[in-house]
Amino acid sequence: AQSVTQLGSHVSVSEGALVLLRCNYSSSVPPYLFWYVQYPNQGLQLLLKYTSAATLVKGINGFEAEFKKSETSFHLTKPSAHMSDAAEYFCAVSDKGLQGNLIFGKGTKLSVKP
Amino acid sequence: NAGVTQTPKFRVLKTGQSMTLLCAQDMNHEYMYWYRQDPGMGLRLIHYSVGEGTTAKGEVPDGYNVSRLKKQNFLLGLESAAPSQTSVYFCASSAETGGTSGRPAYNEQFFGPGTRLTVL
Repeated sequence: AQSVTQLGSHVSVSEGALVLLRCNYSSSVPPYLFWYVQYPNQGLQLLLKYTSAATLVKGINGFEAEFKKSETSFHLTKPSAHMSDAAEYFCAVSDKGLQGNLIFGKGTKLSVKP
Repeated sequence: NAGVTQTPKFRVLKTGQSMTLLCAQDMNHEYMYWYRQDPGMGLRLIHYSVGEGTTAKGEVPDGYNVSRLKKQNFLLGLESAAPSQTSVYFCASSAETGGTSGRPAYNEQFFGPGTRLTVL
């Protein structure tokens, strides 16, 4: 069965510092992988997705993620954190195409200190 | 183009009361979903629909019912609310995307703003 593990329920960085949010997945077949962001009191917004083209995926707001099959990871990074990046981030996996639903990780709350 | 909308935004119920949450999408998507979000639990799928007139159970369906009488609407019902159903409920919709490079198509889900439900 597919699953997602997000390491760290809460990550705190200083403004301008590197952001690294970790996501590991398990899947018996090549997966589709997604990162969503949730700002306070809002719904989820797609940041980026991996669908088997390039392994380094660029998303909105300067975020990117790299698919590493050997490590079963899809970590989210941003070179320089901004105060507006404070939000909760969810990694999700789907390995059955249209027949599969998304399985979400438990989320990582990112705080950005001035 | 409003995307995915949810009604109401907030609601407080007493134990045993019933209510219906409405989700509407104007993107002509075939697939629709209801999730609940609880602290430290991420999002868990309650029910979903792969087309008008169809529904299926997700991970946590007990205590909820759904209907998809029209393609654009997906209703979530609580027949007898319990405090354990206090949560934030999100609706999502998706359409077939991709299907190239020898891989099957996948669903890219678009989310509504959520309904915050408290059951006393």
